[in-house]
Amino acid sequence: EAQVTQNPRYLITVTGKKLTVTCSQNMNHEYMSWYRQDPGLGLRQIYYSMNVEVTDKGDVPEGYKVSRKEKRNFPLILESPSPNQTSLYFCASSLKAPVAGLGYSYEQYFGPGTRLTVT
Amino acid sequence: QKEVEQDPGPLSVPEGAIVSLNCTYSNSAFQYFMWYRQYSRKGPELLMYTYSSGNKEDGRFTAQVDKSSKYISLFIRDSQPSDSATYLCAIGLYGQNFVFGPGTRLSVLP
Repeated sequence: EAQVTQNPRYLITVTGKKLTVTCSQNMNHEYMSWYRQDPGLGLRQIYYSMNVEVTDKGDVPEGYKVSRKEKRNFPLILESPSPNQTSLYFCASSLKAPVAGLGYSYEQYFGPGTRLTVT
Repeated sequence: QKEVEQDPGPLSVPEGAIVSLNCTYSNSAFQYFMWYRQYSRKGPELLMYTYSSGNKEDGRFTAQVDKSSKYISLFIRDSQPSDSATYLCAIGLYGQNFVFGPGTRLSVLP
C-alpha cells in the first residue's frame, strides 16, 4: 500500500529535550516536506527536500532541522524544543515539487500526523 | 490581511443538504486552486484541483472559481455523514508553492 508513515503519532516532552520525528514514504517520491498545522493558521511549511541530500527552508524553519540521506526517509529534528513548537506536524511527499503551473500532478500525500506537546 | 482565509466553522448541516464551503484570497494573480479534505486524526488528501476561472465537477463535488471576486467555493451535493471533515483550500501562483487556508470544519448530521 502506497503511504507516508510518521512516528511517533503522539509525543509529550519537556523544554530542551532533543527529539526526532521520523517520516518514511514507499512511493519513490523525490519531493518531501514537513508542515505544522495550528488552529487558524493553516498548514505552514517548515522544511522541504527536492531529493536526496537537497533540503531547504520553508516558511517557518526556526528551531527545526532536517536531513535527507535516503530517498524514502525525511526525519524532523527539534534540537531544543520549546512550548511554541507545540503543534500538529505532517510529513508529505510528492513525485515532484508541488509548484503551481509546472504541468504535472501537484498532489501531495500526507502522513497521519504527529501531535507534539512541549511543556 | 492573510493571503488565504476560510471560515473555521464548524458548519453543521443535515444529511442530504447542499454544502457550500468558501475560501477568499488577497492576491488576484493566483491561478491554481485545490481543495483538500482532512478527516479527524488523518492527514489531508487532495479532493479537487482547478485552474483559473470556472467550474469543475467530480461526482457530488463541484469546485468553482470566481477570480474577479478572489473567491473559490466547493459545493457538496447530497451531503453524507462520511463528508464530515475539515476542508482546506490551497492556492498557487505560477512557479511557487501552494498556500494553504486554515480550513473549515464540516459536520453532516444523520
